[in-house]
Amino acid sequence: GNSVTQMEGPVTLSEEAFLTINCTYTATGYPSLFWYVQYPGEGLQLLLKATKADDKGSNKGFEATYRKETTSFHLEKGSVQVSDSAVYFCALEPQGGSEKLVFGKGTKLTVNP
Amino acid sequence: GAVVSQHPSWVICKSGTSVKIECRSLDFQATTMFWYRQFPKQSLMLMATSNEGSKATYEQGVEKDKFLINHASLTLSTLTVTSAHPEDSSFYICSARDVWISSDTQYFGPGTRLTVL
Repeated sequence: GNSVTQMEGPVTLSEEAFLTINCTYTATGYPSLFWYVQYPGEGLQLLLKATKADDKGSNKGFEATYRKETTSFHLEKGSVQVSDSAVYFCALEPQGGSEKLVFGKGTKLTVNP
Repeated sequence: GAVVSQHPSWVICKSGTSVKIECRSLDFQATTMFWYRQFPKQSLMLMATSNEGSKATYEQGVEKDKFLINHASLTLSTLTVTSAHPEDSSFYICSARDVWISSDTQYFGPGTRLTVL
């Protein structure tokens, strides 16, 4: 079946540090891949997405590249800010547009000044 | 941008009572809405998909008679937890999709925390 595995948290970084949150998936064909962010007390917000192999999604300094060969979609940011503190969820939508998102468990990021 | 609201944000109820949670799309028409459940430190688990004007489609293992979903209009879906028990305590999140905005983007509500005593 379809599944998403992302690195266990929590992750604690200092401001301006480099961030990587690993995400790998299991799915047939070419699913669409997403990163969602949940700030404290708020709902999930779409951060970025990629719909085909080798696509790079980017937003707010975050990037993730759809790697079919390694079934990965790792999230990266070169210099994190305190305001990036949140929970990050990797997710996939199976090929065929089923609309059903499959989420990873989430990774809590805390950025200290 | 597209905004989805949920009401209430937090509810505490006694065991055996029923609780209704509302999910509204505030500035777009939601042809499809989704209901998720999130346990502490766990992933979001899709419970059901509701399409306006038709019956909800429930995921395997979700009791449709316990979690009643109604999507009576293009801006409102409700989830009613019937005869709630402590094991139903959880964080319930809805999302909405409008195919006229983007075909693969779901907009999420802030969630409702249910505590059953």
